[in-house]
Amino acid sequence: GNSVTQMEGPVTLSEEAFLTINCTYTATGYPSLFWYVQYPGEGLQLLLKATKADDKGSNKGFEATYRKETTSFHLEKGSVQVSDSAVYFCALIKGGAGGTSYGKLTFGQGTILTVHP
Amino acid sequence: EAQVTQNPRYLITVTGKKLTVTCSQNMNHEYMSWYRQDPGLGLRQIYYSMNVEVTDKGDVPEGYKVSRKEKRNFPLILESPSPNQTSLYFCASSSYRGPSNQPQHFGDGTRLSIL
Repeated sequence: GNSVTQMEGPVTLSEEAFLTINCTYTATGYPSLFWYVQYPGEGLQLLLKATKADDKGSNKGFEATYRKETTSFHLEKGSVQVSDSAVYFCALIKGGAGGTSYGKLTFGQGTILTVHP
Repeated sequence: EAQVTQNPRYLITVTGKKLTVTCSQNMNHEYMSWYRQDPGLGLRQIYYSMNVEVTDKGDVPEGYKVSRKEKRNFPLILESPSPNQTSLYFCASSSYRGPSNQPQHFGDGTRLSIL
């Protein structure tokens, strides 16, 4: 079946440091890939997405590129802020033509990020 | 404002006492689902619904029931809660009509503690 593996946390960084959170997946076909963020006490918010190979999703300074050859979707940010402290989830949805956003999301285990001033 | 509303946000209860967590969305979405979030496991799908009166099991359905009598509502029912159902629960909705880049919308979560 489908699965998502994220790097284990927690990740602790100083403000303005470079961030990478690794994510690899196993899926049949062509899944759509997502990063969700969960701020303390809140629900999940979509951070970015990519629906086909070589697509780059980006939002709020975060980026991730859909790499089919390595089945990866690593999250990066060049300079993190204290306000980026949250839990980050990599997820996929089984693919359809042109990508899809409905259906069951398969999540990784989540990575806690703490950014210190 | 587009939103998914869950109630209650927090609940502490005892084993065996039936409870219902409500979920309502105002976006006319066809697809709704329930997830539970546990440390180290991420979110796992409990049940989902493709439309009114159409529901199906997700990955961890044991001990839960759902219903979809109206499009906007998708309640999660624990008939006889047990301590292993202590978790953080999220409801989500999305549409399979229109552009494929519409995101899934999540509620703010319901933290259940079963003693």
